[in-house]
Amino acid sequence: DAGVIQSPRHEVTEMGQEVTLRCKPISGHDYLFWYRQTMMRGLELLIYFNNNVPIDDSGMPEDRFSAKMPNASFSTLKIQPSEPRDSAVYFCASSLEGTGNSPLHFGNGTRLTVT
Amino acid sequence: DQQVKQNSPSLSVQEGRISILNCDYTNSMFDYFLWYKKYPAEGPTFLISISSIKDKNEDGRFTVFLNKSAKHLSLHIVPSQPGDSAVYFCAAIIETSGSRLTFGEGTQLTVNP
Repeated sequence: DAGVIQSPRHEVTEMGQEVTLRCKPISGHDYLFWYRQTMMRGLELLIYFNNNVPIDDSGMPEDRFSAKMPNASFSTLKIQPSEPRDSAVYFCASSLEGTGNSPLHFGNGTRLTVT
Repeated sequence: DQQVKQNSPSLSVQEGRISILNCDYTNSMFDYFLWYKKYPAEGPTFLISISSIKDKNEDGRFTVFLNKSAKHLSLHIVPSQPGDSAVYFCAAIIETSGSRLTFGEGTQLTVNP
């Protein structure tokens, strides 16, 4: 299995622009998670899906952020409009069962820089 | 409110010696704990886990200890190897409340040859 695949690896954009991050989870995994890593806040959960349905989006910072999972093999995280404080590494992860006994498998992340 | 805390940002040990990474939590409802390892420019990878009904779990060179009364867990690596140099995150979950995994800030481990 290729693992969780994220694209792009790096994204540099100007403030106010729309940014779309993409994720392909491991086939057969029913749970998909979006995390953000910053120096100040560490790894924080933004949103997670179960069987393509958003379950917990309480970590989404504000209305500028949105996430979709149109099918079991694809998810997007969109920021519109982007701001410099959104600069971070965004990780997508998937798991079989969403329990402690079913660890997360992370992608290699997208490093976002908003100037 | 940081419910999972790793108070040591960094740790340096000699190859062959023991590495001990510590983690404290505040929420007594957490019932499953995990450790992840992260190399630069890669995502975290799962290392070892422990259920709250146990106090120890071992996998090769890696052992996790859980002290529920102190709300403390630790990861022991014996013997440490240069390839273990990475950032280690502890994480916790309340299994009956969904799939939200809460991470600590991470500890950078450096194993010197």
